[in-house]
Amino acid sequence: EPEVTQTPSHQVTQMGQEVILRCVPISNHLYFYWYRQILGQKVEFLVSFYNNEISEKSEIFDDQFSVERPDGSNFTLKIRSTKLEDSAMYFCASRALRASEQFFGPGTRLTVL
Amino acid sequence: AQSVTQLGSHVSVSEGALVLLRCNYSSSVPPYLFWYVQYPNQGLQLLLKYTSAATLVKGINGFEAEFKKSETSFHLTKPSAHMSDAAEYFCAVSANFGNEKLTFGTGTRLTIIP
Repeated sequence: EPEVTQTPSHQVTQMGQEVILRCVPISNHLYFYWYRQILGQKVEFLVSFYNNEISEKSEIFDDQFSVERPDGSNFTLKIRSTKLEDSAMYFCASRALRASEQFFGPGTRLTVL
Repeated sequence: AQSVTQLGSHVSVSEGALVLLRCNYSSSVPPYLFWYVQYPNQGLQLLLKYTSAATLVKGINGFEAEFKKSETSFHLTKPSAHMSDAAEYFCAVSANFGNEKLTFGTGTRLTIIP
């Protein structure tokens, strides 16, 4: 069964460093999303991406964040200068055209020291 | 704007007992509604969804949910709890058009008592 994959599973970084989180969505999906879940809190929407551009972003998704689909398979989230409060589980999700459900990857746990 | 309220951050039921997890939503447009389950150290798995067809929706692992517009609710039920149901459950809402970002509730941790 097709699934969304994410790498790495756990990333530890120093405050102020850049990190890139990688996702491989399900191959025929056209909508892509990033969400995050701070420990003990609810899952929050960050950004949605369609047709090679951002379609919506939340107030969390400031200038420190960017997304890219560098090739036909990967979907990345970059944080330019990490802060302590960026520590969270980051989930990638994808959705097919004319479908309602999003399929989630297993997540990347980001720890900022 | 859309939001979801999940009543009860922790629910404990005995094995074999009825599971009822509550979800109320607020949406300015016709909603799509979802229940996701998260097992420890894993991602989010879709349990079931409501997309304006049948109001009683059946999902995986014996779960079902009923959409009640008059009560703005989408409660999740299972007739008989199993030990393997222990997990965190999230209710989510999206608009039924556009990019359909999900807005999640705060989650309910379900514990099964042997």
